Amino acid sequence: LAKTTQPISMDSYEGQEVNITCSHNNIATNDYITWYQQFPSQGPRFIIQGYKTKVTNEVASLFIPADRKSSTLSLPRVSLSDTAVYYCLVGDWMDTGRRALTFGSGTRLQVQP
Amino acid sequence: SAVISQKPSRDICQRGTSLTIQCQVDSQVTMMFWYRQQPGQSLTLIATANQGSEATYESGFVIDKFPISRPNLTFSTLTVSNMSPEDSSIYLCSVEQSRGTEAFFGQGTRLTVV
Repeated sequence: LAKTTQPISMDSYEGQEVNITCSHNNIATNDYITWYQQFPSQGPRFIIQGYKTKVTNEVASLFIPADRKSSTLSLPRVSLSDTAVYYCLVGDWMDTGRRALTFGSGTRLQVQP
Repeated sequence: SAVISQKPSRDICQRGTSLTIQCQVDSQVTMMFWYRQQPGQSLTLIATANQGSEATYESGFVIDKFPISRPNLTFSTLTVSNMSPEDSSIYLCSVEQSRGTEAFFGQGTRLTVV
């Protein structure tokens, strides 16, 4: 699986938009980009997945440039409850020979009132 | 989606003993995995639980220390054997219903070895 690099931590305030960028220079043609969120004392939870351009769901948006060597998770108008660790993962999820998800260090987002 | 019930949610154990953690899923799933997460750290994959055959372990994890069972498509157990304080961690069960779908995680088992 491609190695990912993301900031260790970020701080924000309620109501602001938060953008977390993940670098994945060695992404392969068949790889998708997936983001997970983990609250304290809980298992990670799927947020969003994309291959190229932009993907949006009720929780977040994912921006992927044409070269796909990076991606940005955008959280609109964060609230205190968005305080969590966010993991960026890259891999070929349809590959029958792949192993499980490989988690990097993640970005610890702290939202202040 | 898949709902995962992981038991126990937490336990405090004496060193030298063993603890078996259960993972029950509300639907049949193709893939089941076990992870370990040290406090404040990321997740590390222990092994893939294979139905009806021996689990596939990652580097640094061995069957004698972490025996895994998966008797069917909805259930798996992870045993932490001959525990030491270094085994204190959160252990998480994860499932994927089929290839290419999102992974779901249990709430985790917080293990403290004293």
